[in-house]
Parts: sequence; C-alpha cells; structure tokens
Amino acid sequence: DTAVSQTPKYLVTQMGNDKSIKCEQNLGHDTMYWYKQDSKKFLKIMFSYNNKELIINETVPNRFSPKSPDKAHLNLHINSLELGDSAVYFCASSRQEKLFFGSGTQLSVL
Amino acid sequence: DQQVKQNSPSLSVQEGRISILNCDYTNSMFDYFLWYKKYPAEGPTFLISISSIKDKNEDGRFTVFLNKSAKHLSLHIVPSQPGDSAVYFCAALTQGGSEKLVFGKGTKLTVNP
Repeated sequence: DTAVSQTPKYLVTQMGNDKSIKCEQNLGHDTMYWYKQDSKKFLKIMFSYNNKELIINETVPNRFSPKSPDKAHLNLHINSLELGDSAVYFCASSRQEKLFFGSGTQLSVL
Repeated sequence: DQQVKQNSPSLSVQEGRISILNCDYTNSMFDYFLWYKKYPAEGPTFLISISSIKDKNEDGRFTVFLNKSAKHLSLHIVPSQPGDSAVYFCAALTQGGSEKLVFGKGTKLTVNP
C-alpha cells in the first residue's frame, strides 16, 4: 500500500548509457515531481507534471526526459549518462502544498 | 543562490530535552513554509507547516515559529526522543506561484538516549 513508489532503489551504470527510473503514486494526486538530491545534499526540483502536462522544467539538460503516461505515473529517462548525474532522485506527488516522496533512487554513474 | 538556508548541518541533544532547528530564507515572496523529516534510505516525509499569516503552529511535540521580519523560522521538538533522530529539511514556497518548493540543505538531528 505504498503511496509513492519508485524503482529501482539503486542503479549503477557506466557513463554513456541510457537508463530509466519509474514512479507510481496511488494517492490520486494530480501533480507529480522529480527532485534531485546532489552530493551537497540540496533537494532541487527538476520537473513537475499536472495531470500529464509538464508545468515546471528547471533548466534540466535535454538528456533528461520525463514521461507521464497517466496522472499516476511519472517516469524519468536519462540519455548518455554523465558522472555528474550521480545523485539520489526522488519522485513525489502533491496535495495542495504538501509533497509526498518516494524512497529515492540512488544513481551511481561510473 | 540559496533562498532557504539551514546553517547548522548537525545538532545533538539529550533525550527529553528540547531540539531547536533553525532556518532562514531570503525570498520575501515565500508565504508558506514546511518542515520535512528524512530517515536514511527513505524519502522525506511531511512534518509540519506554517502559513505566513501565522507566527506559530503546533502539532503535538512539534512547534514551528515564524518571524517574518527576520525571515527566520524554527522547529521546536519537545521532549526530544531517540526516534526523532533524522535529517530535517526546511522548505518554502509562494502560494499561487509555480508550486515550486525550495528546500534547505537539511540539519541532521541526533537525539541521544
């Protein structure tokens, strides 16, 4: 009965590869997000979708492409992975101002 | 450009005492503030929030105080319990804006038995 679930929890890959992270929420929320927590521990918004429509794109490189097949899912595809992409990626959904986060995907690019 | 700052990376208190976590912000357009708690290998979970029309909000052992003139807020936990040991993130947003929640860097609280 997990509210916001994302997979995989850990992802280790080589530079240049393409990878995807999946996210699903069963809370019935209209808005979903991707946040990145970098090595300095800042949590920064990357994307926000409302009812499958992109509403926030925080100057993230084009190598990152979110896809929302329906309002319960927001997947993140990353092309040509770089060392600097290593971080923890959190999916979230929101009700009013409150965010509900998934448990995170730790991405390590070697 | 850090709009939300948590200047103490860590805090250690004894069980039963008060924990005070501080947060400063620079953007005067922020009008809603939230605290999140994060355990290792888990996502942040919402703890408590406050609107800028209030200066205090209390929920059980947790109280958030807001000083708009100083652009400062604090989270008080009393009495502190070992299970409160976690990283606490302060976050802020402008209601009716882009729904973009801006987070601080977090403060790691350790409550010693």
